[in-house]
Amino acid sequence: DSGVTQTPKHLITATGQRVTLRCSPRSGDLSVYWYQQSLDQGLQFLIQYYNGEERAKGNILERFSAQQFPDLHSELNLSSLELGDSALYFCASSVVDRGTEAFFGQGTRLTVV
Amino acid sequence: AQSVTQPDIHITVSEGASLELRCNYSYGATPYLFWYVQSPGQGLQLLLKYFSGDTLVQGIKGFEAEFKRSQSSFNLRKPSVHWSDAAEYFCAVGARGTYKYIFGTGTRLKVLA
Repeated sequence: DSGVTQTPKHLITATGQRVTLRCSPRSGDLSVYWYQQSLDQGLQFLIQYYNGEERAKGNILERFSAQQFPDLHSELNLSSLELGDSALYFCASSVVDRGTEAFFGQGTRLTVV
Repeated sequence: AQSVTQPDIHITVSEGASLELRCNYSYGATPYLFWYVQSPGQGLQLLLKYFSGDTLVQGIKGFEAEFKRSQSSFNLRKPSVHWSDAAEYFCAVGARGTYKYIFGTGTRLKVLA
């Protein structure tokens, strides 16, 4: 158990809908990362927050957004969902904002039908 | 641009045999290097990391990896594979001073009894 908690574990939704994925980082970790894992793209970095502030953006679509709250949990919002958004979404956390290892949650499997 | 290459998509070994998974990276300076393992339906678990110092690093579950600067490689090894090692293995690079991790495409390990 990495200490990173993601909910829900599975999510099935229809195209055009909006979903919210939640992540609670390890106790004491200030940095949260979101990754998307799909068969064709592999593991892709989406976005990083550190202590409530956005620090880095990767290949995140404009339909996707994230935030980190004062209690350090983070949410990834996916809207206007398309079939191609079906993937495993991972959250990871680390103590600082760079230069250290990240610990991953078990992921949320999103299926868009 | 930073990149990570795992040339072997699938590897099959017999239980008790030795294992080496290859990882090559492209980066202008010495990066932070990681190996993660993903079991079916699970998140990514950190096996080991290299930041600096001794180029041979020991990890969990009997794994080790060697950083070879001249070859831009960070290969993962285990002297005797157990059936429970069957999983997907990801090499990752974290650039010093930046925030995100770049993952390889993964190597799926199958262990024959």
